Amino acid sequence: DVKVTQSSRYLVKRTGEKVFLECVQDMDHENMFWYRQDPGLGLRLIYFSYDVKMKEKGDIPEGYSVSREKKERFSLILESASTNQTSMYLCASWHRGSQETQYFGPGTRLLVL
Amino acid sequence: QQQVKQSPQSLIVQKGGISIINCAYENTAFDYFPWYQQFPGKGPALLIAIRPDVSEKKEGRFTISFNKSAKQFSLHIMDSQPGDSATYFCAATISSGSARQLTFGSGTQLTVLP
Repeated sequence: DVKVTQSSRYLVKRTGEKVFLECVQDMDHENMFWYRQDPGLGLRLIYFSYDVKMKEKGDIPEGYSVSREKKERFSLILESASTNQTSMYLCASWHRGSQETQYFGPGTRLLVL
Repeated sequence: QQQVKQSPQSLIVQKGGISIINCAYENTAFDYFPWYQQFPGKGPALLIAIRPDVSEKKEGRFTISFNKSAKQFSLHIMDSQPGDSATYFCAATISSGSARQLTFGSGTQLTVLP
C-alpha cells in the first residue's frame, strides 16, 4: 500500500519563527510536490522536485524554500513564518512516466500566531 | 491566472439525487483530467480520470463527461449517498515531460442529505 506521510498533523508557530514541514514517501517516486490548500482557492503549488537536490518553483513560492537531500524525503521550509502562511499544507508524490496520478499525504494544518 | 475553473463552490443534494460538478480549462495542451475526492482530515485521493480522446468514462456511480471543443468536463455522481459528502477537485495536466504538474480547480464541497 502506497504511503505519503507528513511529520505533523497540526502545528502552531509564532510570527518570525522558522518552520520545517517534512514529507516522506515509500514508493520510490521521483517527483514530489508541496501544495497549500485554502478555502475557495483549491490547491496551489508551492514547489516541486523531480529528482534529488532538484527543485522548481510552483505558482506561489514566495516566503518558502524546499530541500530534497534524499529521494524519499521532501521538506518545506518557512524561513520566517507570517500569519498569511496559516494554511493546510499537502505533500504529494508521483512516479515519473506513470499513468497513475499523484498520491497525497494527510496534510499539516499550520497556524501562525 | 486560474487555468481550471470549477463550479459550484458548494452543493447540497438529497440522498439518491444526482450531483453535478463542472470544470472548464483554458490550456489546450492539457491531456489528462483527474478528479480528486477529499474527506475532512485526509489528503485528496484520486477518484476517476479521463483523457480527451473519449467523451465519457464511468466507474460505478461516478461518471466524467468530457467536451473537448468546449474545453469543459464534469463529474456526475448518480444515486448520491451521505458517504459521498466530501470536497471534490477537478484537475488537469500535460502528461509528457519529467516533471508533470497538476493544475487544480478551486474545489466543490458536496453535502448529501440523508
